[in-house]
Amino acid sequence: QVQLQESGPGLVKPSQTLSLTCTVSGGSISSGSYYWSWIRQPAGKGLEWIGRIYTSGSTNYNPSLKSRVTISVDTSKNQFSLKLSSVTAADTAVYYCARAQSRTGQNYYMDVWGKGTTVTVSS
Amino acid sequence: SYVLTQPPSVSVAPGQTARITCGGNNIGSKSVHWYQQKPGQAPVLVVYDDSDRPSGIPERFSGSNSGNTATLTISRVEAGDEADYYCQVWDSSSAVVFGGGTKLTVL
Repeated sequence: QVQLQESGPGLVKPSQTLSLTCTVSGGSISSGSYYWSWIRQPAGKGLEWIGRIYTSGSTNYNPSLKSRVTISVDTSKNQFSLKLSSVTAADTAVYYCARAQSRTGQNYYMDVWGKGTTVTVSS
Repeated sequence: SYVLTQPPSVSVAPGQTARITCGGNNIGSKSVHWYQQKPGQAPVLVVYDDSDRPSGIPERFSGSNSGNTATLTISRVEAGDEADYYCQVWDSSSAVVFGGGTKLTVL
Protein backbone atom coordinates (compact mmCIF):
# COMPACT_ATOMS: atom_id res chain seq x y z
CA GLN A 1 0.00 0.00 0.00
CA VAL A 2 1.44 3.34 -1.06
CA GLN A 3 2.32 5.74 1.74
CA LEU A 4 3.55 9.33 1.59
CA GLN A 5 5.72 11.16 4.11
CA GLU A 6 6.53 14.85 4.12
CA SER A 7 9.84 16.14 5.45
CA GLY A 8 11.61 19.47 5.74
CA PRO A 9 12.29 22.40 8.06
CA GLY A 10 9.50 23.35 10.42
CA LEU A 11 10.63 26.95 10.64
CA VAL A 12 11.49 29.27 7.75
CA LYS A 13 12.43 32.93 7.92
CA PRO A 14 10.43 35.55 6.03
CA SER A 15 11.63 36.21 2.47
CA GLN A 16 13.41 32.85 2.35
CA THR A 17 12.48 29.74 0.39
CA LEU A 18 10.39 26.96 1.91
CA SER A 19 11.57 23.52 0.79
CA LEU A 20 9.74 20.26 1.45
CA THR A 21 10.15 16.71 0.20
CA CYS A 22 7.59 13.95 -0.06
CA THR A 23 8.89 10.37 0.02
CA VAL A 24 6.75 7.70 -1.60
CA SER A 25 6.94 4.19 -0.14
CA GLY A 26 5.17 0.94 -0.95
CA GLY A 27 5.26 1.57 -4.68
CA SER A 28 7.15 3.30 -7.45
CA ILE A 29 6.46 6.96 -8.08
CA SER A 30 6.80 6.20 -11.78
CA SER A 31 4.19 3.46 -11.98
CA GLY A 32 0.66 4.20 -13.05
CA SER A 33 -0.85 7.43 -14.34
CA TYR A 34 -0.61 9.51 -11.21
CA TYR A 35 -0.01 13.15 -10.47
CA TRP A 36 1.85 13.98 -7.30
CA SER A 37 0.44 17.00 -5.49
CA TRP A 38 1.02 19.52 -2.73
CA ILE A 39 -1.81 20.99 -0.66
CA ARG A 40 -1.64 23.29 2.35
CA GLN A 41 -3.93 24.28 5.19
CA PRO A 42 -3.44 27.29 7.48
CA ALA A 43 -4.50 26.67 11.05
CA GLY A 44 -8.27 26.74 11.36
CA LYS A 45 -8.79 27.29 7.64
CA GLY A 46 -9.59 25.28 4.55
CA LEU A 47 -7.51 23.35 2.04
CA GLU A 48 -5.54 25.17 -0.65
CA TRP A 49 -4.08 23.30 -3.61
CA ILE A 50 -0.54 24.36 -4.44
CA GLY A 51 0.31 22.32 -7.51
CA ARG A 52 1.12 18.93 -8.99
CA ILE A 53 3.67 17.11 -11.08
CA TYR A 54 3.59 14.10 -13.36
CA THR A 55 6.57 11.80 -13.44
CA SER A 56 7.37 13.12 -16.92
CA GLY A 57 8.02 16.45 -15.24
CA SER A 58 4.84 18.14 -16.45
CA THR A 59 3.48 20.55 -13.83
CA ASN A 60 0.37 22.57 -13.00
CA TYR A 61 0.28 25.26 -10.36
CA ASN A 62 -2.33 27.25 -8.47
CA PRO A 63 -2.51 30.56 -10.39
CA SER A 64 -2.37 32.51 -7.14
CA LEU A 65 0.96 30.90 -6.17
CA LYS A 66 2.45 30.17 -9.58
CA SER A 67 5.08 32.90 -9.50
CA ARG A 68 6.60 31.53 -6.29
CA VAL A 69 6.19 27.74 -6.64
CA THR A 70 8.39 25.05 -8.13
CA ILE A 71 7.55 21.35 -7.89
CA SER A 72 10.08 18.77 -9.02
CA VAL A 73 10.39 14.99 -9.02
CA ASP A 74 13.30 12.64 -8.43
CA THR A 75 12.26 9.20 -9.62
CA SER A 76 15.55 7.62 -8.54
CA LYS A 77 14.76 8.52 -4.93
CA ASN A 78 11.00 7.99 -5.24
CA GLN A 79 10.48 11.56 -4.09
CA PHE A 80 8.93 14.79 -5.21
CA SER A 81 9.60 18.24 -3.79
CA LEU A 82 8.10 21.66 -3.24
CA LYS A 83 9.89 25.00 -3.23
CA LEU A 84 7.99 28.15 -2.30
CA SER A 85 10.00 31.35 -2.54
CA SER A 86 9.71 34.72 -0.81
CA VAL A 87 7.63 33.35 2.03
CA THR A 88 5.67 35.48 4.49
CA ALA A 89 3.67 34.71 7.60
CA ALA A 90 0.70 34.00 5.33
CA ASP A 91 2.52 30.87 4.13
CA THR A 92 2.42 29.37 7.63
CA ALA A 93 0.40 26.18 7.31
CA VAL A 94 0.30 22.42 7.45
CA TYR A 95 1.64 21.16 4.13
CA TYR A 96 0.38 17.88 2.72
CA CYS A 97 1.61 15.82 -0.18
CA ALA A 98 -0.87 13.59 -1.97
CA ARG A 99 -1.27 11.22 -4.90
CA ALA A 100 -3.85 12.20 -7.49
CA GLN A 101 -5.51 9.92 -9.96
CA SER A 102 -8.34 9.95 -12.44
CA ARG A 103 -10.41 7.42 -14.33
CA THR A 104 -10.84 9.79 -17.26
CA GLY A 105 -7.48 11.51 -17.39
CA GLN A 106 -9.12 14.81 -16.53
CA ASN A 107 -10.92 14.95 -13.20
CA TYR A 108 -8.23 14.12 -10.70
CA TYR A 109 -8.85 13.36 -7.06
CA MET A 110 -6.39 12.82 -4.20
CA ASP A 111 -6.68 9.26 -2.97
CA VAL A 112 -3.54 8.94 -0.83
CA TRP A 113 -2.31 11.67 1.52
CA GLY A 114 0.69 12.15 3.74
CA LYS A 115 0.14 13.01 7.37
CA GLY A 116 1.22 16.59 6.84
CA THR A 117 4.03 18.72 8.19
CA THR A 118 3.71 22.07 9.91
CA VAL A 119 5.75 24.93 8.54
CA THR A 120 5.95 28.21 10.40
CA VAL A 121 7.29 31.38 8.79
CA SER A 122 8.82 33.57 11.44
CA SER A 123 12.01 35.42 12.16
CA SER B 1 -11.55 31.49 -11.24
CA TYR B 2 -14.03 28.80 -10.32
CA VAL B 3 -15.62 29.03 -6.87
CA LEU B 4 -17.17 26.27 -4.76
CA THR B 5 -19.53 27.31 -1.97
CA GLN B 6 -20.26 25.13 1.06
CA PRO B 7 -22.29 25.93 4.19
CA PRO B 8 -19.94 26.53 7.12
CA SER B 9 -21.77 24.09 9.34
CA VAL B 10 -24.36 21.34 9.37
CA SER B 11 -25.80 19.72 12.47
CA VAL B 12 -27.61 16.42 12.70
CA ALA B 13 -28.73 13.99 15.38
CA PRO B 14 -27.29 10.48 15.50
CA GLY B 15 -29.13 8.08 13.23
CA GLN B 16 -30.44 10.86 11.01
CA THR B 17 -29.31 11.87 7.53
CA ALA B 18 -26.84 14.67 6.90
CA ARG B 19 -26.71 16.48 3.58
CA ILE B 20 -23.76 18.73 2.79
CA THR B 21 -24.02 20.85 -0.33
CA CYS B 22 -21.38 22.23 -2.65
CA GLY B 23 -22.47 24.97 -5.03
CA GLY B 24 -20.74 26.01 -8.22
CA ASN B 25 -21.60 27.38 -11.64
CA ASN B 26 -22.85 24.43 -13.71
CA ILE B 27 -21.08 22.07 -11.30
CA GLY B 28 -23.21 19.27 -12.72
CA SER B 29 -20.91 19.27 -15.74
CA LYS B 30 -17.90 18.51 -13.57
CA SER B 31 -16.85 15.54 -11.48
CA VAL B 32 -17.01 16.30 -7.76
CA HIS B 33 -14.91 14.65 -5.09
CA TRP B 34 -15.43 14.77 -1.32
CA TYR B 35 -12.99 14.54 1.57
CA GLN B 36 -13.48 14.00 5.29
CA GLN B 37 -11.00 15.59 7.69
CA LYS B 38 -10.99 14.91 11.41
CA PRO B 39 -9.08 17.22 13.80
CA GLY B 40 -5.33 16.82 13.56
CA GLN B 41 -5.56 14.35 10.68
CA ALA B 42 -5.04 14.44 6.95
CA PRO B 43 -8.09 14.49 4.68
CA VAL B 44 -9.56 11.17 3.57
CA LEU B 45 -11.31 10.67 0.24
CA VAL B 46 -14.89 9.50 0.87
CA VAL B 47 -16.56 10.02 -2.53
CA TYR B 48 -15.05 10.51 -5.98
CA ASP B 49 -16.50 11.15 -9.42
CA ASP B 50 -19.73 12.46 -7.92
CA SER B 51 -20.95 9.22 -6.37
CA ASP B 52 -18.33 6.48 -6.19
CA ARG B 53 -16.83 5.31 -2.92
CA PRO B 54 -13.22 4.20 -2.37
CA SER B 55 -12.81 0.80 -0.81
CA GLY B 56 -13.28 0.90 2.94
CA ILE B 57 -15.73 3.80 2.92
CA PRO B 58 -19.13 2.80 4.33
CA GLU B 59 -22.15 2.68 2.05
CA ARG B 60 -23.70 5.30 4.33
CA PHE B 61 -21.68 7.87 2.35
CA SER B 62 -23.14 8.76 -1.02
CA GLY B 63 -22.99 11.63 -3.45
CA SER B 64 -24.98 13.28 -6.20
CA ASN B 65 -24.39 16.13 -8.60
CA SER B 66 -26.76 18.07 -10.84
CA GLY B 67 -27.21 21.61 -12.06
CA ASN B 68 -25.43 24.04 -9.77
CA THR B 69 -25.27 21.83 -6.67
CA ALA B 70 -23.45 18.70 -5.61
CA THR B 71 -24.47 16.93 -2.42
CA LEU B 72 -22.73 14.58 -0.02
CA THR B 73 -25.25 12.50 1.89
CA ILE B 74 -24.38 10.64 5.06
CA SER B 75 -27.09 8.23 6.18
CA ARG B 76 -27.54 6.91 9.70
CA VAL B 77 -25.03 9.42 11.02
CA GLU B 78 -22.71 8.25 13.78
CA ALA B 79 -20.67 10.22 16.30
CA GLY B 80 -17.54 9.20 14.41
CA ASP B 81 -18.74 11.06 11.32
CA GLU B 82 -18.20 14.38 13.05
CA ALA B 83 -15.56 16.12 10.94
CA ASP B 84 -14.92 18.79 8.33
CA TYR B 85 -15.97 17.89 4.79
CA TYR B 86 -14.55 19.44 1.63
CA CYS B 87 -15.72 19.20 -1.96
CA GLN B 88 -13.24 19.45 -4.84
CA VAL B 89 -13.31 19.75 -8.61
CA TRP B 90 -10.85 20.21 -11.44
CA ASP B 91 -11.37 23.41 -13.40
CA SER B 92 -9.50 24.16 -16.60
CA SER B 93 -8.66 27.71 -15.51
CA SER B 94 -8.17 27.25 -11.79
CA ALA B 95 -6.85 23.67 -11.76
CA VAL B 96 -7.76 21.95 -8.47
CA VAL B 97 -10.41 23.86 -6.51
CA PHE B 98 -11.62 23.09 -3.00
CA GLY B 99 -14.76 24.30 -1.34
CA GLY B 100 -14.40 26.22 1.91
CA GLY B 101 -15.38 23.21 3.99
CA THR B 102 -18.36 22.27 6.13
CA LYS B 103 -18.14 21.32 9.79
CA LEU B 104 -20.49 18.45 10.53
CA THR B 105 -21.65 18.37 14.14
CA VAL B 106 -23.38 15.29 15.51
CA LEU B 107 -25.73 16.47 18.23
